[in-house]
Amino acid sequence: AQSVTQPDIHITVSEGASLELRCNYSYGATPYLFWYVQSPGQGLQLLLKYFSGDTLVQGIKGFEAEFKRSQSSFNLRKPSVHWSDAAEYFCAVGWFGGKLIFGQGTELSVKP
Amino acid sequence: NAGVTQTPKFRVLKTGQSMTLLCAQDMNHEYMYWYRQDPGMGLRLIHYSVGEGTTAKGEVPDGYNVSRLKKQNFLLGLESAAPSQTSVYFCASSYTPGGDKENIQYFGAGTRLSVL
Repeated sequence: AQSVTQPDIHITVSEGASLELRCNYSYGATPYLFWYVQSPGQGLQLLLKYFSGDTLVQGIKGFEAEFKRSQSSFNLRKPSVHWSDAAEYFCAVGWFGGKLIFGQGTELSVKP
Repeated sequence: NAGVTQTPKFRVLKTGQSMTLLCAQDMNHEYMYWYRQDPGMGLRLIHYSVGEGTTAKGEVPDGYNVSRLKKQNFLLGLESAAPSQTSVYFCASSYTPGGDKENIQYFGAGTRLSVL
């Protein structure tokens, strides 16, 4: 069965520090991969997606993610975190015309 | 640009009461989805629809019903609310024929439901 794992429930980083959020998936083929962000009390906003091609994808707000097929991973990175990045981040896998499967989410806190 | 609109934003029910959550999208999307979000569990799919007049069960459909009478609307019903249905409910929509192939889902702001 398809599944998505985000191993870190909560991460705290200092403002200006780099960030990496982990995401591993289990799927029979190369899925579509997504990262969404949810600010407190808000809906989910798409940060970036991987469909095919270049395995390093750029998203909004300075985020990027790298698809590694050999590791079944799609980790999210940002070189310098801002206080406004504090939110919950969700990794998801899907396929054309189908449903999305979400990970459990990683809550990011940013220290001044 | 309204996107995906959910009503109401908040609701408190007593056990056994019924209610309907409304989701409306103005992006001419074919597919619509209802999720529930619970702490530590991410988003779980309740029901979804791949077109007007069609619905299908997701991962956690028990206790919920849905209807898609119009393409732009997707209703989620709770016939007899239970405390286990206390959650945040999100609606999403995706896929315009001839549009993106990656099934990008666009989400509403959510409905916070408490069942006492």
